[in-house]
Amino acid sequence: SQTIHQWPATLVQPVGSPLSLECTVEGTSNPNLYWYRQAAGRGLQLLFYSVGIGQISSEVPQNLSASRPQDRQFILSSKKLLLSDSGFYLCAWATGQGHEKLFFGSGTQLSVL
Amino acid sequence: GESVGLHLPTLSVQEGDNSIINCAYSNSASDYFIWYKQESGKGPQFIIDIRSNMDKRQGQRVTVLLNKTVKHLSLQIAATQPGDSAVYFCAETHGNTPLVFGKGTRLSVIA
Repeated sequence: SQTIHQWPATLVQPVGSPLSLECTVEGTSNPNLYWYRQAAGRGLQLLFYSVGIGQISSEVPQNLSASRPQDRQFILSSKKLLLSDSGFYLCAWATGQGHEKLFFGSGTQLSVL
Repeated sequence: GESVGLHLPTLSVQEGDNSIINCAYSNSASDYFIWYKQESGKGPQFIIDIRSNMDKRQGQRVTVLLNKTVKHLSLQIAATQPGDSAVYFCAETHGNTPLVFGKGTRLSVIA
């Protein structure tokens, strides 16, 4: 069966510090991978998605970047965090045939202070 | 997709009653719809999905209804239980575009 791992669960970082969130998927090949952000009490905003190694699509201009160095690994990064980067970050995967049924990780609560 | 509001709409239902959560979408080209349940501090969990060639689909205690004429989607939960308390999101997609999520509805079950 397929599983998705996302870590850490909670992260507190000072403004201006770097960020690296990692997400890995097991039990499937060539998945589509996604990073969403969720502000408190709000919906899910798509940040990045990837349909293959090295292929990154950015949905909104921001202080963040994403990379996919391996088929089942998706990394969300920032060189210098802003207060506005605080939020709940969710990684998700879908079969490579489309963007339909997404399976989400457990999320990372990021607080930038 | 829907714009995101500052406060989630809330639906309060008595335990044992049926719940109906509604979602409006704007893109008439959307051909796939999906509902997720999100408990506090957790990632969204898949509940049920439906394609635009269907009007209704049933799962265990849940039913999704799609009205393409008025671009409306609903999730019905039968015999609502305390464990159903969560935020529910609808999402849509068409063609080769990623899912666009609605703003969510908070369901509170009164015991």
